[in-house]
Amino acid sequence: EPEVTQTPSHQVTQMGQEVILRCVPISNHLYFYWYRQILGQKVEFLVSFYNNEISEKSEIFDDQFSVERPDGSNFTLKIRSTKLEDSAMYFCASSLNEKLFFGSGTQLSVL
Amino acid sequence: SQQGEEDPQALSIQEGENATMNCSYKTSINNLQWYRQNSGRGLVHLILIRSNEREKHSGRLRVTLDTSKKSSSLLITASRAADTASYFCATDLEEYGNKLVFGAGTILRVKS
Repeated sequence: EPEVTQTPSHQVTQMGQEVILRCVPISNHLYFYWYRQILGQKVEFLVSFYNNEISEKSEIFDDQFSVERPDGSNFTLKIRSTKLEDSAMYFCASSLNEKLFFGSGTQLSVL
Repeated sequence: SQQGEEDPQALSIQEGENATMNCSYKTSINNLQWYRQNSGRGLVHLILIRSNEREKHSGRLRVTLDTSKKSSSLLITASRAADTASYFCATDLEEYGNKLVFGAGTILRVKS
């Protein structure tokens, strides 16, 4: 069964550094998303992406964040200057319709 | 406002028992979905119920939707230890596109 893959599974970075989280969505899907989950808390929407542009973003998704689909298969989330509070599990998801398929996540730890 | 709040926050039952989790939401929705998350893993879609549907079944899962009360319930019958996970409801708000808003989840523990 096709699946969404995310790399790396764990990322440790120093505060102020840039990180890029990578995702390969399911190949025929049209909608792409990033969500995050701080330990023990709810899954929070960050951004949705369709037709090569952001379709919606949350208040969390400020100027430090950007997304890109550089080559038609990868979907990346960049955090330009990480803060301690960016530490969380980041999930990529893709969909063809209403049902979302999630990757296993990247655990980001900002020290 | 919070959308998609589940209760209880945690539920512990014996294998073979039924587990019921509830979800309430505040605004009109297109559909409501339930997802499952095993510890440290991604979310897995379980079932989707549309705003014009009242009940839906999938295997041991039964979902109901009451749009007048803005609530949904997920029933897992004859639970197994492997059902131990967190369960989240997610709503697709009418005024937005296909953004899903997740609740805080119910942690289900099934003891064998």
